[in-house]
Amino acid sequence: DSGVTQTPKHLITATGQRVTLRCSPRSGDLSVYWYQQSLDQGLQFLIQYYNGEERAKGNILERFSAQQFPDLHSELNLSSLELGDSALYFCASSAAGGSANYGYTFGSGTRLTVV
Amino acid sequence: AQSVTQLGSHVSVSEGALVLLRCNYSSSVPPYLFWYVQYPNQGLQLLLKYTTGATLVKGINGFEAEFKKSETSFHLTKPSAHMSDAAEYFCAVRMDTGFQKLVFGTGTRLLVSP
Repeated sequence: DSGVTQTPKHLITATGQRVTLRCSPRSGDLSVYWYQQSLDQGLQFLIQYYNGEERAKGNILERFSAQQFPDLHSELNLSSLELGDSALYFCASSAAGGSANYGYTFGSGTRLTVV
Repeated sequence: AQSVTQLGSHVSVSEGALVLLRCNYSSSVPPYLFWYVQYPNQGLQLLLKYTTGATLVKGINGFEAEFKKSETSFHLTKPSAHMSDAAEYFCAVRMDTGFQKLVFGTGTRLLVSP
């Protein structure tokens, strides 16, 4: 157990629908990062939050949004889902202070299948 | 901007053979470098990291990597492969812009045959 908790582990939904993925960071970590992993795109950085504030954006579609709550858990919202959104979505957290100097701790991911 | 290039999307070795996974980086500042491993249907797990100091870094499961500034490389090695080493391996570098997120390579799948 890495200490980063992601729910649900698996999600199957239809095109056009909206889903919410949840992440609880490791105790004491203030930064949360979201990544998408697909066969054709590899590991793509989506967005980063630090202590409730958005810090960096990567290749995140406008249909996707995220937030980090006061208790530091984070949610990634995916709407108007398309078949191409099927992927593994990972959450990671980093040590207090937000620095990536010491690496990330990853959750086990949510596998999203859009049918 | 910082980036990493992993040479070879797939590497095949026999059990007991040397494992060498290549990673070259690009960075305008002293880099912080990482290797992660991903087993099937699992998240990424930190194998080892180079921040400052000794250039030969030892990690978990018998893996090690050497930071070579002159070659801008951070190759991952293991003297003797085990079947359990079969996984995908990712090299990453810390960005020095923004809020210092990590940038990952495209990954190398290690296949180990008996």
